[in-house]
Amino acid sequence: EAGVAQSPRYKIIEKRQSVAFWCNPISGHATLYWYQQILGQGPKLLIQFQNNGVVDDSQLPKDRFSAERLKGVDSTLKIQPAKLEDSAVYLCASSLLGPGFSESSGNTIYFGEGSWLTVV
Amino acid sequence: KQEVTQIPAALSVPEGENLVLNCSFTDSAIYNLQWFRQDPGKGLTSLLLIQSSQREQTSGRLNASLDKSSGRSTLYIAASQPGDSATYLCAPHSNSGYALNFGKGTSLLVTP
Repeated sequence: EAGVAQSPRYKIIEKRQSVAFWCNPISGHATLYWYQQILGQGPKLLIQFQNNGVVDDSQLPKDRFSAERLKGVDSTLKIQPAKLEDSAVYLCASSLLGPGFSESSGNTIYFGEGSWLTVV
Repeated sequence: KQEVTQIPAALSVPEGENLVLNCSFTDSAIYNLQWFRQDPGKGLTSLLLIQSSQREQTSGRLNASLDKSSGRSTLYIAASQPGDSATYLCAPHSNSGYALNFGKGTSLLVTP
């Protein structure tokens, strides 16, 4: 079974430029997450989709970050304009089922390798 | 808001030792808790998932326990190996929110 795919793996941009990250979740997974992980910290949720609808985007800096999940499959996370403090790893994750399901394997969340962003 | 604390922040042990990583969380209204491993420059790899109705889960040399009422989980690693060196993260899945909440992790180094 293919895992969560992310691209690009690495990106270096200057502040005020824009960048976009792409994620392809595991086939059939209804829920997709974008997390931001700053060096030395645990991942922080930016946005969660259930199919193509947004479940939680309360921690997404909406003045500069945007995300979409067209057709409930692939997702794109965009940052425009980037700031120095946006330097982090952007992790995409997916799970088969959504919140509230108790079935064990369906609740397991699988992560991609991450997209590493450096803003200079 | 769910707060997750992991102790210790870093741990160095000689190969062969058994060790325990601790995780505490403030909101006990969870429906599962997941333990992950993160290698340098990599994403997160799921190790174990414990449902709120369970007390523990085992996978090979790993055993995770959950005491939901006290907001604690432990990850026990038996007969540690250098290949176990990584950062270990616990993440409770709250009923009130929908996403996993992470601590800062425990950085483990197993020396030969």
